[in-house]
Amino acid sequence: GIQVEQSPPDLILQEGANSTLRCNFSDSVNNLQWFHQNPWGQLINLFYIPSGTKQNGRLSATTVATERYSLLYISSSQTTDSGVYFCAVELGYGQNFVFGPGTRLSVLP
Amino acid sequence: DVKVTQSSRYLVKRTGEKVFLECVQDMDHENMFWYRQDPGLGLRLIYFSYDVKMKEKGDIPEGYSVSREKKERFSLILESASTNQTSMYLCASSLWQGIGSGANVLTFGAGSRLTVL
Repeated sequence: GIQVEQSPPDLILQEGANSTLRCNFSDSVNNLQWFHQNPWGQLINLFYIPSGTKQNGRLSATTVATERYSLLYISSSQTTDSGVYFCAVELGYGQNFVFGPGTRLSVLP
Repeated sequence: DVKVTQSSRYLVKRTGEKVFLECVQDMDHENMFWYRQDPGLGLRLIYFSYDVKMKEKGDIPEGYSVSREKKERFSLILESASTNQTSMYLCASSLWQGIGSGANVLTFGAGSRLTVL
């Protein structure tokens, strides 16, 4: 089956720093999404990004589908950015999503 | 906004008990999913459903069953709970917008943390 890898597994930042999280996948996919899981366990969709670049405030994401990777950029990090970031790839059409292992981000005040 | 509601935030059950985890979504989504999340193992798909009364096994269906009698409701059933089913259970839904549209955004509920003693 498809393999989804994320790096780094853990990241500690000082508030205000920038960071880049990476997601690699082993096969062609129809869809890729980035999620943030807050400390209370709620998963929030950040981006739906099968290809190209999108921006939402301090966050942006780029997917290069032909090279099978996606990047999530966090600029001017805040303590509320802490949590676990997951990428998920869609197999088939809306019927199965495979998640990466996540990157745990801690932003220190 | 799509809302996915899971009936119980925290449950404590005893080994051998039958457990029902309920999930309801309010935006007429075709697809619904049950995942479990464990430290070091990430999110793993238990079952998903793409229509009423339809179900498909995910990666770890053993020990679980599901029911989808109405479009908005997807239930996860543990027939005889065991301690290795202690976990966080996450329900999600997505809208099927057709082949090629690719806009199947996955929306999660808040999770149900189950402890089996």
